[in-house]
Amino acid sequence: ILNVEQSPQSLHVQEGDSTNFTCSFPSSNFYALHWYRWETAKSPEALFVMTLNGDEKKKGRISATLNTKEGYSYLYIKGSQPEDSATYLCAFISGSARQLTFGSGTQLTVLP
Amino acid sequence: GAVVSQHPSRVICKSGTSVKIECRSLDFQATTMFWYRQFPKQSLMLMATSNEGSKATYEQGVEKDKFLINHASLTLSTLTVTSAHPEDSSFYICSAPRSGGRTDTQYFGPGTRLTVL
Repeated sequence: ILNVEQSPQSLHVQEGDSTNFTCSFPSSNFYALHWYRWETAKSPEALFVMTLNGDEKKKGRISATLNTKEGYSYLYIKGSQPEDSATYLCAFISGSARQLTFGSGTQLTVLP
Repeated sequence: GAVVSQHPSRVICKSGTSVKIECRSLDFQATTMFWYRQFPKQSLMLMATSNEGSKATYEQGVEKDKFLINHASLTLSTLTVTSAHPEDSSFYICSAPRSGGRTDTQYFGPGTRLTVL
């Protein structure tokens, strides 16, 4: 069983603050890492798919980095806004698997 | 972006009844769809992979006779929870990759909240 862990489990920040959270995954047999944003009552929405060690991807105020050798990825949000409030999920694919293994998510609440 | 719909969004049923959940890809064809289950405060757990035109592949510990999956067309997969019991109450969600590659973004439905009384 693959272990994908996210921390913290939940987070409250003030509007305008920058924040980051972590996804840890097995460092051996890496294939790809996905990040999704899941707003309440909506479908999870893809943010990034990362495949290469050292990858850094950016989408507006959100960016992510990847370290496959040590088995972690960081998601950063710069200048958080209330509309960033959501659960952020990471999902790992190993070299031998076809399916995603999800972490339990980080629930972000941005207070106005 | 690609759109996946899921119906119903919420269902309450009596113990012993069967419940069918539909997952549709609205603007692309999906030869593969995935069904997940989520318990409170836990991660999405893959239940099965639905394959168009062939049998579904179930994850270890998932009863195939309990959770029937049919992928009859390139845009529709259904999950039927047979003889539902209160322990089947959960959040069920489907996803589909647009082209089936392992790095492909998954497009998710909005999920179905099942409550079995």
